[in-house]
Amino acid sequence: GEDVEQSLFLSVREGDSSVINCTYTDSSSTYLYWYKQEPGAGLQLLTYIFSNMDMKQDQRLTVLLNKKDKHLSLRIADTQTGDSAIYFCAEERSTGRRALTFGSGTRLQVQP
Amino acid sequence: KAGVTQTPRYLIKTRGQQVTLSCSPISGHRSVSWYQQTPGQGLQFLFEYFSETQRNKGNFPGRFSGRQFSNSRSEMNVSTLELGDSALYLCASSWGGSHGDEQFFGPGTRLTVL
Repeated sequence: GEDVEQSLFLSVREGDSSVINCTYTDSSSTYLYWYKQEPGAGLQLLTYIFSNMDMKQDQRLTVLLNKKDKHLSLRIADTQTGDSAIYFCAEERSTGRRALTFGSGTRLQVQP
Repeated sequence: KAGVTQTPRYLIKTRGQQVTLSCSPISGHRSVSWYQQTPGQGLQFLFEYFSETQRNKGNFPGRFSGRQFSNSRSEMNVSTLELGDSALYLCASSWGGSHGDEQFFGPGTRLTVL
């Protein structure tokens, strides 16, 4: 079945690293995404990873994928107050219906 | 290049009415998907349109429908509104609509049903 889970809340201090975790259950998921949502706004695509990759780095963002445990993480280095938002992981299967399945979102609070 | 635009941004309706929401994709994008976001259910897929055809559909009742025009603009319609339809409706566009094509979201239309 399809189910994506995330912890609900994470609080860090400015300058620290943030790690947001996500687990998924659909073994046929091939594309995994991280989106950011600020208050009153839509979803901003941050980064994505294909299931044939273990890691992807993009400036302050590092995505790690553990396919065996179906675990995905997003690390934000040098977290800033502007990073405060809700972060969603999403999976997309490589076949069948083309739709994103989202987690419930992790609210990241960055304290100055 | 302009992003995905949605109109209106806010809407208030009463139970039993119907509503039409509009989405203009990024220029050149041919796929438009719609999602509903509520505090209780989170983000849920409604449907996807590609080249004026509905290709995929989520688990929503028939009151929810949509269409896509030849210029790729899309509308979704909700008939006989219920209180539970209050939500943020997001549309996303992508280039070719293939698996793995990045989907870019609009700011959403916030619908309140009284």
